[in-house]
Amino acid sequence: QLQLQESGPGLVKPSQTLSLTCTVSGGSISSGHYSWTWVRRPAGRGLEWIGRIFSSGSATYNPSLKSRVTISLDTSKNQFSLKLSSVTASDTAVYYCARGHALDIWGQGTMVTVSS
Amino acid sequence: QSVVTQPPSASGTPGQRVAISCSGSTSNIGINLVDWYQQVPGAAPKLLFYSSNQRPSGVPDRFSASKSGTSASLAISGLQSEDEADYYCAVWDDSLNGFVFGTGTKVTVL
Repeated sequence: QLQLQESGPGLVKPSQTLSLTCTVSGGSISSGHYSWTWVRRPAGRGLEWIGRIFSSGSATYNPSLKSRVTISLDTSKNQFSLKLSSVTASDTAVYYCARGHALDIWGQGTMVTVSS
Repeated sequence: QSVVTQPPSASGTPGQRVAISCSGSTSNIGINLVDWYQQVPGAAPKLLFYSSNQRPSGVPDRFSASKSGTSASLAISGLQSEDEADYYCAVWDDSLNGFVFGTGTKVTVL
């Protein structure tokens, strides 16, 4: 069955760019009319939607993060990626990738800490 | 802070019924369908309901969900220890043009 797996650095310095990749296995990221989403959960806080991208390449972002976020698709590698620029300690969180409008399949999550 | 609010906590003893509310507005719950997610500590969130009351396969039928006006609710009947988790409603907000999670409710089984 379809599985998602996040990967990327666990530690990022303040003011730098956080980059994560979600690898999709067991199915094609291009098939169907699914969107592909990034969500995060800071410690002690709730879930926060970061943004999503459709297989067409069209993306929508959380207005509060929009100026710093880019989500892209690499169909040749069956992956989609997140870039978050100018990070601060408040971007420290567990980051998840997920499939669909209703997020029916999730990756296990990856912890990213922003610290010098 | 989220534009969709939930009570921070709810609790019950095994076998009891627990209900969680989700309050939004005319730009989100009032016009769009609601999803519900369960997040057990240390695990990824899991989809419990989509389209306000549709249960994915594998979700026990002691979980139920509904929507009315600008509010939605999730109920757990026959509460079990494994139901101890954080629960989130989520919905698209047309004003924000983004997906919004509720503030989350921690369910404790006493």
